[in-house]
Amino acid sequence: QKEVEQDPGPLSVPEGAIVSLNCTYSNSAFQYFMWYRQYSRKGPELLMYTYSSGNKEDGRFTAQVDKSSKYISLFIRDSQPSDSATYLCAMSGASGSARQLTFGSGTQLTVLP
Amino acid sequence: DSGVTQTPKHLITATGQRVTLRCSPRSGDLSVYWYQQSLDQGLQFLIQYYNGEERAKGNILERFSAQQFPDLHSELNLSSLELGDSALYFCASSPQSSGAYEQYFGPGTRLTVT
Repeated sequence: QKEVEQDPGPLSVPEGAIVSLNCTYSNSAFQYFMWYRQYSRKGPELLMYTYSSGNKEDGRFTAQVDKSSKYISLFIRDSQPSDSATYLCAMSGASGSARQLTFGSGTQLTVLP
Repeated sequence: DSGVTQTPKHLITATGQRVTLRCSPRSGDLSVYWYQQSLDQGLQFLIQYYNGEERAKGNILERFSAQQFPDLHSELNLSSLELGDSALYFCASSPQSSGAYEQYFGPGTRLTVT
């Protein structure tokens, strides 16, 4: 079993829809939770990071972390065709081998105009 | 543009050969990370350097090695290449003030081994 599980999709939604992307994890040492966006043939781009449990909002993006359930989500409101990309969740801990980023496999999102 | 640069963009080589990938971190970042991204394995952490010293190792093969130079640029050396080494190789850097969680990725080098 992988430490981080992410539904690979693909996910296709109409423009303006609310998108929900999710990851589950098994390592209790993870304390930092990140979402990266990767356009085709480009490097991953850091969207947001959250420490421990709770919500964080940045424009149309909201990240949620539920450490008790080992479940994280990224919500995209009013989705745009420019949001079409692969979204990767990533996690890290505070010490030891868990300090390095562990990535999910990515969810491919297409927003249709 | 993340500020991290990588060269070359594309590399095509034959099995058994050796290649060197180069990375320049963002200005002021002391940490450099190398990743391999393939379709079946996803994004895998290889190795981290901090201010010239190896800090952490991930799933890096013995045929692969890296170093970080005094000017903070880093090189990833891949030797005795196999078909399975074909992948995208990314370099990332992070600010000194943050942990590994805040990483900025370069555009990657696409390696094709024939």
